[in-house]
Parts: sequence; C-alpha cells; structure tokens
Amino acid sequence: KQEVTQIPAALSVPEGENLVLNCSFTDSAIYNLQWFRQDPGKGLTSLLLIQSSQREQTSGRLNASLDKSSGRSTLYIAASQPGDSATYLCAVVSAKTSYDKVIFGPGTSLSVIP
Amino acid sequence: EAGVAQSPRYKIIEKRQSVAFWCNPISGHATLYWYQQILGQGPKLLIQFQNNGVVDDSQLPKDRFSAERLKGVDSTLKIQPAKLEDSAVYLCASSLRSGANSPLHFGNGTRLTVT
Repeated sequence: KQEVTQIPAALSVPEGENLVLNCSFTDSAIYNLQWFRQDPGKGLTSLLLIQSSQREQTSGRLNASLDKSSGRSTLYIAASQPGDSATYLCAVVSAKTSYDKVIFGPGTSLSVIP
Repeated sequence: EAGVAQSPRYKIIEKRQSVAFWCNPISGHATLYWYQQILGQGPKLLIQFQNNGVVDDSQLPKDRFSAERLKGVDSTLKIQPAKLEDSAVYLCASSLRSGANSPLHFGNGTRLTVT
C-alpha cells in the first residue's frame, strides 16, 4: 500500500531564505508526482507536476526534483517571501491502477517571517 | 477557463441530519474526485469518477455517504445521517482524464460542521 510522508510537519523561516520541503513515498511505481499549495480556507492549487520519467521541474522560484528509485521528492523555494506562507502538499499517482489513483501526504505548514 | 465550482461554502448541521454538496468540474474534465480533509491532514479520497462511472469508492462509508455524477458532468455528495466525526472540509477536484499526466484542479471546498 502506497504511503506518502512529508517532513517537516511545520517550518518557520525568515524572509529571503532558501528552503527545502521533503516528500517520501513507499512504492516507486508511480505515474507522476504533484506538488500543491493550500492557503487557509481554500482548496489546493497545483504548483508543479513531475512525470515519472523526469528528474525535475521548475516554475519561477520553485524547483521540484524526483528520485523515483529512492522514493523521494524535494520542493526547493528560493528567496522565500511572506506570501509563500501556506501548507505545501505532495501527491503521487499510482502506476499500479488502470485509473489515476492519487495519494496525498499530510503537508508541511510553512511560515515566512518578514 | 472557469475553475471547479463547489457549493455551499459552509454548512452547519446537527448530528443525524442529512446534507448534500454540489460540484461542477472544469468543462471537458472526465475525472472527478471527492476528498475529505480533516484539519491538519492531507486529503483522503472518498470517491473517484471517470465520466459517469465509479472507479474507486473503497474509502467511502457507504452506510451513510453516497455520490452520483449524472451525465458525466456535475456531481453531488450526500451524507445521511451525519455523525460528529464527519466534520471536515469536503473538496472536489477534476482532471482531464486518467493517463493524461494532467494536474488536479480543486474547488474551494465545503466546510462542514456537525454539532
């Protein structure tokens, strides 16, 4: 059974710092991995999608990497800003089902202090 | 493009009452998901539709929860009767189709409080 974990559960950093969020999954048979952002009281917003054949994806100050064999992904945020404060969740899509079975991690709550 | 629409945004009911949530996915999206998110946790899949057929309802408490997706577009999720532990945010999401490597798009959710 696929399990997704995220470390740390919460993180507080001063503005301008570079930071890394971690995501681990137990079964390497995945179709893709997605990173989401969730603001309080809102739904999830897709940030990056990495296909299983890819190693990384970049969007602005965000860079996500994928090491499928070790079951790990990282989300790197450069030059953090207070507006980056939110919960970040990763999710994997299983390659063992005929449909897109999406399994989420519990999220990392990020606070960027001005 | 218009996003995923959900209503209502908030609902407060007493235990043993019934409640229904509505979701309108992005036009053309074949896959629709209903998730339950308890505070501090990641979303848990309740039911997944591909067009108007159910592909996964393994974690849906079928004695009290039901869902339908008529004509492969809008969907409703119903709880009857509600329990205190059903207090959560109910999120609807849609994606283009299985196997398309397309991201999930979420609505803003319905926050349910059962008293």
